[in-house]
Amino acid sequence: DTGVSQNPRHKITKRGQNVTFRCDPISEHNRLYWYRQTLGQGPEFLTYFQNEAQLEKSRLLSDRFSAERPKGSFSTLEIQRTEQGDSAMYLCASKRGTGDHFGPGTRLTVL
Amino acid sequence: AQTVTQSQPEMSVQEAETVTLSCTYDTSENNYYLFWYKQPPSRQMILVIRQEAYKQQNATENRFSVNFQKAAKSFSLKISDSQLGDTAMYFCAFMKHDAGNMLTFGGGTRLMVKP
Repeated sequence: DTGVSQNPRHKITKRGQNVTFRCDPISEHNRLYWYRQTLGQGPEFLTYFQNEAQLEKSRLLSDRFSAERPKGSFSTLEIQRTEQGDSAMYLCASKRGTGDHFGPGTRLTVL
Repeated sequence: AQTVTQSQPEMSVQEAETVTLSCTYDTSENNYYLFWYKQPPSRQMILVIRQEAYKQQNATENRFSVNFQKAAKSFSLKISDSQLGDTAMYFCAFMKHDAGNMLTFGGGTRLMVKP
């Protein structure tokens, strides 16, 4: 069990640019979740996958956001035309049962 | 929709003392789980303790225990013999027992353990 990894750990971008984050879950975990956490707040659910199928998306996930999990392994979260309001920590979590394992997160700063 | 409320934004405790963090939630569900997660500064979130709603017995994990009051929709965390390494943000979280199993988090309590 090597844990959940996320890359990059930090991303600084200019408004209007596209960014992509990657999450590598624990290998036997079939469920993968993306959350967004703004400073001083609790994480908020964005979307989740069971294997390769994206089964639910939050209303927080605007049309500029897209997530994939090809082959049910790693997942990517892309934000197009970034806005300053997208600045946050993006957390990935995976699980097989009821206990989520979180990655270290990707901190996005949009200038 | 579920909501989770943590009414204490910040708390402090002396090393070796006991501290209790509060959490209330609102749901119409009968079958669910409750969790406390710890997020140390600049480090990833880790699970501290979990409670199944159908279990009346309060969960314990070493120095961590909960007081689960289902009727009152209250789920507090007690940390005994506080250690400096307990300094962190603590998040209470709710999970419905359904297909999605996503977490709904409270706003967090920042705990500072003082030497």
